[in-house]
Amino acid sequence: DAKTTQPPSMDCAEGRAANLPCNHSTISGNEYVYWYRQIHSQGPQYIIHGLKNNETNEMASLIITEDRKSSTLILPHATLRDTAVYYCIVRAHSSNTGKLIFGQGTTLQVKP
Amino acid sequence: EAGVTQSPTHLIKTRGQQATLRCSPISGHTSVYWYQQALGLGLQFLLWYDEGEERNRGNFPPRFSGRQFPNYSSELNVNALELEDSALYLCASNRDRANNEQFFGPGTRLTVL
Repeated sequence: DAKTTQPPSMDCAEGRAANLPCNHSTISGNEYVYWYRQIHSQGPQYIIHGLKNNETNEMASLIITEDRKSSTLILPHATLRDTAVYYCIVRAHSSNTGKLIFGQGTTLQVKP
Repeated sequence: EAGVTQSPTHLIKTRGQQATLRCSPISGHTSVYWYQQALGLGLQFLLWYDEGEERNRGNFPPRFSGRQFPNYSSELNVNALELEDSALYLCASNRDRANNEQFFGPGTRLTVL
């Protein structure tokens, strides 16, 4: 699974868009980009995933660059409840290892 | 739809004892994953069970073991507990090995004294 690089922390004002970047320059053609988040002392929560097209769901949007070497998770209107550690994970869709490899993630602090 | 459940919520043991943690996956999910989240070490993959078989294990000693029952629930056993086993143990499930969206439970906080 390709390695990812994320900034350790970010701040965002409540009600504004939060844009969380992720670099994955060694991503290979069959690998997807997944985003999870972990609110303090809870289990991680799946947010969104994509291969090469931009994706949107009720929680967030995922923008993947054309060369697929980086992506951005966008929370369009951040709330205080979005304060969490956000993990960007790259892996093949039908991985035969089963595991998700979590890096250190980005701690997003949403401020009033 | 009920989520992944884990029990107990908290567990306190002493060094050398054994701990048993339990996980019930979402109904219809056949794969169960175990992760350890120790302070300062992040989330580490422990074990993967699918259809009752162990499919993969992480870089943990053999005293970490588990099993999956016919109803797809799972147990994680940690023998000869050490102080550094203190951590949040998270269980996740998904529908099948091809589905990468893992749904996590709330975790069991294990404290080894």
